[in-house]
Amino acid sequence: SAVISQKPSRDICQRGTSLTIQCQVDSQVTMMFWYRQQPGQSLTLIATANQGSEATYESGFVIDKFPISRPNLTFSTLTVSNMSPEDSSIYLCSVEGYGGEYYGYTFGSGTRLTVV
Amino acid sequence: GENVEQHPSTLSVQEGDSAVIKCTYSDSASNYFPWYKQELGKGPQLIIDIRSNVGEKKDQRIAVTLNKTAKHFSLHITETQPEDSAVYFCAASPTDKLIFGTGTRLQVFP
Repeated sequence: SAVISQKPSRDICQRGTSLTIQCQVDSQVTMMFWYRQQPGQSLTLIATANQGSEATYESGFVIDKFPISRPNLTFSTLTVSNMSPEDSSIYLCSVEGYGGEYYGYTFGSGTRLTVV
Repeated sequence: GENVEQHPSTLSVQEGDSAVIKCTYSDSASNYFPWYKQELGKGPQLIIDIRSNVGEKKDQRIAVTLNKTAKHFSLHITETQPEDSAVYFCAASPTDKLIFGTGTRLQVFP
């Protein structure tokens, strides 16, 4: 399966500021996703990051709050804008891919964000 | 859209016993059902998956069963060990994305 590197691994940010999270994959993948995991909760899909076009957002998530870039098949960024304490969560990058055979969805280790 | 329910939310077992976690899904178009294990401070790790054209799959102590008619699938862990303690998530894939269940916190006591 693919190996995913996420940066930063954790951060503490002031409310009203923005944070950009990077996701680097060690192989080219078609599908990349961003998830949010609130404390003690399950994973909620924010959006699908589309290479060369605008991301596809799930209900309840908007581009102005969570702008996403996908410049190529191995890299994506998620920005959390104008942060409030309610944005304190783990943000996870995921890819779906094939390495000779289908290996499903792989997740990065996540970015633990605390907004104060 | 797809909705995945997962039960129980917590499960405590004695080492060596079996553990069963159950999920139901709503969208009959879902055709891929993975299970993830998440340990504290880490991202989810895929432990087993099953496609809709298969009824059961086994990998050593872990097995998954799928009932398409009833729209439910289950994770079975036999001979549990303390290192199996973690949060387990089921998921369903109706299209090119995953929808997760609410999670089960499994504790295995020595």
